[in-house]
Amino acid sequence: NAGVTQTPKFRILKIGQSMTLQCTQDMNHNYMYWYRQDPGMGLKLIYYSVGAGITDKGEVPNGYNVSRSTTEDFPLRLELAAPSQTSVYFCASSSAGTGNNSPLHFGNGTRLTVT
Amino acid sequence: LAKTTQPISMDSYEGQEVNITCSHNNIATNDYITWYQQFPSQGPRFIIQGYKTKVTNEVASLFIPADRKSSTLSLPRVSLSDTAVYYCLLVGLGQLTFGSGTQLTVLP
Repeated sequence: NAGVTQTPKFRILKIGQSMTLQCTQDMNHNYMYWYRQDPGMGLKLIYYSVGAGITDKGEVPNGYNVSRSTTEDFPLRLELAAPSQTSVYFCASSSAGTGNNSPLHFGNGTRLTVT
Repeated sequence: LAKTTQPISMDSYEGQEVNITCSHNNIATNDYITWYQQFPSQGPRFIIQGYKTKVTNEVASLFIPADRKSSTLSLPRVSLSDTAVYYCLLVGLGQLTFGSGTQLTVLP
């Protein structure tokens, strides 16, 4: 199994440009998450989804949008890129959002630079 | 959101046992204590999870006292490849919050 796959691995954007970070998982997980990680810091939750058609805001949702049309895919959209969005973005999935035996499975991240 | 507190960094030598303690005074009844490991340029990887007492797997042990206000991740006989950031999380109802983690550096 591929697990959680993120594309692209690297991207450089100019201020004001838009892009979509792709995330797909092949584990049939209901829960999916987007985190960002700034240098030397922990991960901050941007958005999450508990199933197809359902999304909700995390700790730092401003400047981002998500959709969840299928169980497998959870793209993250940046509409007007700003330097403050320079970060590493991680997508994750889990079989359930709570309790035992539902660890998060992470992708390898997308490193985004906005200049 | 319940929060966790853990040391910013720790150093150890190869072959030693390493114990990383996490404080979570406001843990909720339905929270599980979960630890992740993160290497540079990679996403975090699940290590171990527990609710109370002791849990052991092939990688680590997790000790949780009866009051559940803290937990200790124990890594037996660490090697250089265990150098990473270790995160303690409370997994329950609601969002998963990662703190800054503990940077463990294993020295030769």
